[in-house]
Amino acid sequence: GNSVTQMEGPVTLSEEAFLTINCTYTATGYPSLFWYVQYPGEGLQLLLKATKADDKGSNKGFEATYRKETTSFHLEKGSVQVSDSAVYFCALSAYNQGGKLIFGQGTELSVKP
Amino acid sequence: GAGVSQSPRYKVAKRGQDVALRCDPISGHVSLFWYQQALGQGPEFLTYFQNEAQLDKSGLPSDRFFAERPEGSVSTLKIQRTQQEDSAVYLCASSGDGNTEAFFGQGTRLTVV
Repeated sequence: GNSVTQMEGPVTLSEEAFLTINCTYTATGYPSLFWYVQYPGEGLQLLLKATKADDKGSNKGFEATYRKETTSFHLEKGSVQVSDSAVYFCALSAYNQGGKLIFGQGTELSVKP
Repeated sequence: GAGVSQSPRYKVAKRGQDVALRCDPISGHVSLFWYQQALGQGPEFLTYFQNEAQLDKSGLPSDRFFAERPEGSVSTLKIQRTQQEDSAVYLCASSGDGNTEAFFGQGTRLTVV
């Protein structure tokens, strides 16, 4: 079946450090891929998405590229801020599944000043 | 309303009690999803509606779980005879259709004691 695996947290970085959170997926066909973010005390928010191979999603300085050959969608940011501290979820939506999302287990990011 | 609204935000139930969790989606959104998020885990799909039709309930963990959306707007997730393993955050999401961004509510945290 379809599944998402992301690197375990917590990830602790200093401000302005480079961030990578790894995400790989298993799916039949060509799913859409997403990163969601959950800030403390808030609901899940869509951070970025990509709908086909080689697409790059980007938002708020974060980027992720849909790599079909490695079935990956790693999240990167060149310089993190304290305000980026949150839990990040990688997710996929398989074709013809009505928009149902399958999530990874989440990666907690803590950025220290 | 401006976003997806869920109530109550917190619910404590005694084991064996029935509970009902409410979701008010964004006005006009056709698709509505319920997810269950255990502590430290990613959300897991429970069920999906398109208008009033429940098109996928493959994620409901047992026949104690029941969801409805009778008029294609507000939805209720009902859990009968709650068990400790039902303790989780229950998330509701809505989208314009299955292919557009899903917006999440803040969730209902259910604790079964």
